[in-house]
Amino acid sequence: GQQVMQIPQYQHVQEGEDFTTYCNSSTTLSNIQWYKQRPGGHPVFLIQLVKSGEVKKQKRLTFQFGEAKKNSSLHITATQTTDVGTYFCAGRGSSNTGKLIFGQGTTLQVKP
Amino acid sequence: EAGVAQSPRYKIIEKRQSVAFWCNPISGHATLYWYQQILGQGPKLLIQFQNNGVVDDSQLPKDRFSAERLKGVDSTLKIQPAKLEDSAVYLCASSLQGPRETQYFGPGTRLLVL
Repeated sequence: GQQVMQIPQYQHVQEGEDFTTYCNSSTTLSNIQWYKQRPGGHPVFLIQLVKSGEVKKQKRLTFQFGEAKKNSSLHITATQTTDVGTYFCAGRGSSNTGKLIFGQGTTLQVKP
Repeated sequence: EAGVAQSPRYKIIEKRQSVAFWCNPISGHATLYWYQQILGQGPKLLIQFQNNGVVDDSQLPKDRFSAERLKGVDSTLKIQPAKLEDSAVYLCASSLQGPRETQYFGPGTRLLVL
Protein backbone atom coordinates (compact mmCIF):
# COMPACT_ATOMS: atom_id res chain seq x y z
CA GLY A 1 0.00 0.00 0.00
CA GLN A 2 0.87 3.65 -0.13
CA GLN A 3 3.60 4.76 2.29
CA VAL A 4 4.79 8.23 3.24
CA MET A 5 8.22 8.60 4.78
CA GLN A 6 9.70 11.66 6.46
CA ILE A 7 13.26 12.56 7.35
CA PRO A 8 14.84 13.43 9.64
CA GLN A 9 12.91 12.07 12.63
CA TYR A 10 14.41 14.68 14.97
CA GLN A 11 16.23 17.96 14.43
CA HIS A 12 17.82 20.22 17.03
CA VAL A 13 18.79 23.69 15.84
CA GLN A 14 20.03 26.90 17.39
CA GLU A 15 17.52 29.73 17.23
CA GLY A 16 18.11 31.62 14.00
CA GLU A 17 19.30 28.59 12.03
CA ASP A 18 17.32 27.16 9.13
CA PHE A 19 15.43 23.86 9.20
CA THR A 20 14.22 21.51 6.47
CA THR A 21 12.12 18.35 6.60
CA TYR A 22 11.63 16.05 3.63
CA CYS A 23 8.69 13.86 2.72
CA ASN A 24 8.70 10.99 0.20
CA SER A 25 5.82 8.89 -1.05
CA SER A 26 5.97 5.41 -2.53
CA THR A 27 3.28 6.40 -5.04
CA THR A 28 2.28 9.51 -6.97
CA LEU A 29 0.10 11.81 -4.90
CA SER A 30 -2.87 13.90 -5.93
CA ASN A 31 -1.93 16.43 -3.28
CA ILE A 32 0.01 16.78 -0.07
CA GLN A 33 -0.80 18.57 3.17
CA TRP A 34 1.44 19.75 5.99
CA TYR A 35 0.46 19.87 9.65
CA LYS A 36 2.13 21.13 12.83
CA GLN A 37 1.59 19.49 16.19
CA ARG A 38 2.82 21.24 19.32
CA PRO A 39 3.86 19.06 22.28
CA GLY A 40 0.70 17.72 23.90
CA GLY A 41 -1.44 19.25 21.18
CA HIS A 42 -3.26 18.12 18.09
CA PRO A 43 -2.30 18.47 14.41
CA VAL A 44 -3.05 21.88 12.95
CA PHE A 45 -3.33 22.32 9.18
CA LEU A 46 -0.63 24.49 7.61
CA ILE A 47 -0.99 24.19 3.86
CA GLN A 48 -2.01 22.04 0.91
CA LEU A 49 -0.01 21.64 -2.31
CA VAL A 50 -1.72 20.33 -5.43
CA LYS A 51 0.27 21.17 -8.54
CA SER A 52 3.48 19.57 -9.74
CA GLY A 53 6.46 21.75 -8.81
CA GLU A 54 4.29 24.05 -6.68
CA VAL A 55 5.98 26.35 -4.18
CA LYS A 56 4.08 28.21 -1.46
CA LYS A 57 5.32 30.52 1.24
CA GLN A 58 3.91 31.45 4.63
CA LYS A 59 6.16 34.07 6.24
CA ARG A 60 9.32 32.12 7.13
CA LEU A 61 7.92 28.77 5.93
CA THR A 62 8.45 27.56 2.34
CA PHE A 63 6.67 24.47 1.05
CA GLN A 64 7.54 22.64 -2.17
CA PHE A 65 5.86 19.83 -4.09
CA GLY A 66 8.11 17.79 -6.34
CA GLU A 67 7.76 17.66 -10.12
CA ALA A 68 6.80 13.99 -9.99
CA LYS A 69 4.34 14.65 -7.13
CA LYS A 70 6.04 12.02 -5.01
CA ASN A 71 8.02 14.23 -2.66
CA SER A 72 7.70 17.46 -0.75
CA SER A 73 9.68 19.62 1.61
CA LEU A 74 9.12 22.21 4.31
CA HIS A 75 11.84 24.79 4.93
CA ILE A 76 11.84 27.21 7.85
CA THR A 77 14.14 30.21 7.62
CA ALA A 78 15.66 31.65 10.80
CA THR A 79 13.88 29.39 13.28
CA GLN A 80 12.29 30.79 16.42
CA THR A 81 11.38 29.04 19.67
CA THR A 82 7.74 29.25 18.61
CA ASP A 83 8.54 26.86 15.74
CA VAL A 84 9.04 23.98 18.20
CA GLY A 85 6.82 20.99 17.46
CA THR A 86 6.37 18.04 15.15
CA TYR A 87 5.78 18.67 11.48
CA PHE A 88 3.82 16.04 9.56
CA CYS A 89 3.30 15.69 5.86
CA ALA A 90 0.19 13.83 4.75
CA GLY A 91 -0.17 12.57 1.23
CA ARG A 92 -3.37 11.83 -0.57
CA GLY A 93 -3.50 9.16 -3.24
CA SER A 94 -5.58 9.30 -6.36
CA SER A 95 -8.26 6.88 -5.19
CA ASN A 96 -11.84 8.01 -4.78
CA THR A 97 -11.74 7.87 -0.99
CA GLY A 98 -8.86 10.34 -0.92
CA LYS A 99 -7.51 8.95 2.34
CA LEU A 100 -4.63 10.93 3.88
CA ILE A 101 -1.51 8.93 4.74
CA PHE A 102 0.61 10.68 7.35
CA GLY A 103 4.36 10.48 7.60
CA GLN A 104 5.91 9.75 10.97
CA GLY A 105 6.78 13.40 11.47
CA THR A 106 9.90 15.46 12.13
CA THR A 107 10.24 16.82 15.64
CA LEU A 108 11.97 20.19 15.77
CA GLN A 109 13.67 21.49 18.90
CA VAL A 110 14.97 25.07 18.89
CA LYS A 111 17.58 26.14 21.42
CA PRO A 112 17.37 29.81 22.39
CA GLU B 1 -16.60 29.10 15.17
CA ALA B 2 -16.38 26.25 17.68
CA GLY B 3 -13.82 23.58 16.92
CA VAL B 4 -14.05 19.80 17.03
CA ALA B 5 -14.99 18.65 20.52
CA GLN B 6 -13.90 15.35 22.03
CA SER B 7 -14.45 13.65 25.36
CA PRO B 8 -13.08 12.38 27.58
CA ARG B 9 -9.65 13.98 27.29
CA TYR B 10 -7.95 11.21 29.23
CA LYS B 11 -8.87 7.62 30.02
CA ILE B 12 -7.03 4.88 31.90
CA ILE B 13 -8.41 1.35 31.76
CA GLU B 14 -7.19 -2.18 32.28
CA LYS B 15 -6.77 -4.59 29.40
CA ARG B 16 -9.90 -6.46 28.39
CA GLN B 17 -12.10 -3.56 29.58
CA SER B 18 -14.26 -1.52 27.25
CA VAL B 19 -14.01 2.18 26.47
CA ALA B 20 -15.91 4.68 24.35
CA PHE B 21 -14.90 8.03 22.93
CA TRP B 22 -17.19 10.79 21.72
CA CYS B 23 -16.68 13.41 19.03
CA ASN B 24 -18.74 16.41 17.95
CA PRO B 25 -17.46 17.84 14.66
CA ILE B 26 -17.56 21.44 13.51
CA SER B 27 -21.14 22.40 12.71
CA GLY B 28 -22.03 21.68 9.10
CA HIS B 29 -19.05 19.44 8.41
CA ALA B 30 -20.18 16.40 6.46
CA THR B 31 -17.03 14.31 6.77
CA LEU B 32 -15.77 12.92 10.07
CA TYR B 33 -12.59 10.96 10.71
CA TRP B 34 -11.21 8.92 13.58
CA TYR B 35 -7.43 8.60 13.75
CA GLN B 36 -5.18 6.63 16.08
CA GLN B 37 -1.85 8.27 16.95
CA ILE B 38 0.65 6.08 18.74
CA LEU B 39 3.46 7.91 20.53
CA GLY B 40 6.17 8.96 18.08
CA GLN B 41 4.10 8.21 14.97
CA GLY B 42 1.84 10.09 12.65
CA PRO B 43 -1.95 9.75 12.84
CA LYS B 44 -3.38 6.62 11.23
CA LEU B 45 -6.90 6.74 9.81
CA LEU B 46 -9.23 4.23 11.46
CA ILE B 47 -12.54 5.19 9.88
CA GLN B 48 -14.02 7.93 7.71
CA PHE B 49 -17.71 8.89 7.59
CA GLN B 50 -19.47 10.94 4.94
CA ASN B 51 -22.63 12.12 6.72
CA ASN B 52 -23.76 8.89 8.43
CA GLY B 53 -22.24 6.47 5.92
CA VAL B 54 -18.85 4.76 6.18
CA VAL B 55 -16.45 5.71 3.36
CA ASP B 56 -13.31 3.92 4.54
CA ASP B 57 -12.79 1.57 7.47
CA SER B 58 -10.04 -0.54 5.94
CA GLN B 59 -7.65 0.03 8.86
CA LEU B 60 -10.21 -0.40 11.65
CA PRO B 61 -9.60 -3.58 13.70
CA LYS B 62 -13.18 -4.67 13.44
CA ASP B 63 -12.87 -7.54 15.89
CA ARG B 64 -12.54 -5.03 18.72
CA PHE B 65 -13.19 -1.52 17.36
CA SER B 66 -16.54 -0.12 16.28
CA ALA B 67 -17.72 3.35 15.37
CA GLU B 68 -21.01 4.95 14.51
CA ARG B 69 -22.37 8.29 13.38
CA LEU B 70 -26.08 7.63 13.53
CA LYS B 71 -27.52 11.08 12.78
CA GLY B 72 -24.66 12.32 10.63
CA VAL B 73 -23.42 14.69 13.32
CA ASP B 74 -21.57 13.41 16.39
CA SER B 75 -19.82 10.07 16.53
CA THR B 76 -18.64 7.46 19.01
CA LEU B 77 -15.68 5.12 18.77
CA LYS B 78 -15.66 2.02 20.97
CA ILE B 79 -12.98 -0.48 21.85
CA GLN B 80 -14.09 -3.81 23.32
CA PRO B 81 -12.01 -5.47 24.69
CA ALA B 82 -8.99 -3.21 24.92
CA LYS B 83 -5.42 -4.45 24.50
CA LEU B 84 -2.17 -2.94 25.74
CA GLU B 85 -1.25 -1.91 22.19
CA ASP B 86 -4.38 0.25 21.98
CA SER B 87 -2.67 2.84 24.20
CA ALA B 88 -2.61 5.93 21.99
CA VAL B 89 -4.23 9.28 21.34
CA TYR B 90 -7.51 8.98 19.46
CA LEU B 91 -8.06 12.01 17.30
CA CYS B 92 -11.31 13.04 15.71
CA ALA B 93 -11.26 15.37 12.71
CA SER B 94 -13.85 16.85 10.40
CA SER B 95 -13.96 18.54 7.02
CA LEU B 96 -16.67 20.56 5.31
CA GLN B 97 -17.57 18.39 2.36
CA GLY B 98 -15.14 15.66 1.47
CA PRO B 99 -11.71 14.24 2.09
CA ARG B 100 -9.97 16.60 -0.34
CA GLU B 101 -10.55 19.55 1.98
CA THR B 102 -8.80 20.81 5.07
CA GLN B 103 -9.25 18.55 8.07
CA TYR B 104 -9.72 20.16 11.48
CA PHE B 105 -8.59 18.06 14.42
CA GLY B 106 -10.03 17.90 17.90
CA PRO B 107 -7.85 17.84 21.05
CA GLY B 108 -7.86 14.05 21.17
CA THR B 109 -8.48 11.44 23.85
CA ARG B 110 -5.37 9.99 25.48
CA LEU B 111 -5.97 6.32 26.28
CA LEU B 112 -3.70 4.29 28.52
CA VAL B 113 -4.37 0.55 28.76
CA LEU B 114 -2.72 -1.14 31.74
